Amino acid sequence: DTGVSQNPRHKITKRGQNVTFRCDPISEHNRLYWYRQTLGQGPEFLTYFQNEAQLEKSRLLSDRFSAERPKGSFSTLEIQRTEQGDSAMYLCASSGTSGGFSYEQYFGPGTRLTVT
Amino acid sequence: EDKVVQSPLSLVVHEGDTVTLNCSYEVTNFRSLLWYKQEKKAPTFLFMLTSSGIEKKSGRLSSILDKKELFSILNITATQTGDSAIYLCAVVSSNTGKLIFGQGTTLQVKP
Repeated sequence: DTGVSQNPRHKITKRGQNVTFRCDPISEHNRLYWYRQTLGQGPEFLTYFQNEAQLEKSRLLSDRFSAERPKGSFSTLEIQRTEQGDSAMYLCASSGTSGGFSYEQYFGPGTRLTVT
Repeated sequence: EDKVVQSPLSLVVHEGDTVTLNCSYEVTNFRSLLWYKQEKKAPTFLFMLTSSGIEKKSGRLSSILDKKELFSILNITATQTGDSAIYLCAVVSSNTGKLIFGQGTTLQVKP
């Protein structure tokens, strides 16, 4: 399967614990995005990488959130000291670019986080 | 602030009906508009629109963009129960390519 993959698919954690999610984009895509989706809403942008550089972060991304994309391949999203409000589906997407134009984004299956 | 609004928020139809989903937007630097279908999992890509007036078509689905009036429509003809899903509209308004999504339209197609 050459699509976007995410692990784990589900994560249940207790409030105050740290969690880390992984995303493996489509191999030839240089752009990688993280979004968060809560019930009844469209996905909201969290952060974006072009290759290994993190070029934009949403104000939704508090200091407890950090993302990396070492070597411009897979990416990790870590949430420290989780809160119940962090419960959501975390989606990763990737896309290619050409001359500054960003092509359509393809999404992974998501990681559903439940904080108890 | 950039904004994408979809209507209706939900819709119930019977198999064979034709539906039209609406998406309007207010963004500073429009680049493209995308439609996705979401069925209890990640969104799957349907269409990307960048030019006004050019219809994109895939089977029973079609979409068109009006950059003057700042909206797009997604049409589904001869609906089937498998079309039941949330349809998401998203706009790209910067060189980063980040998507700004609407709330989605939940479509239920009854047999």
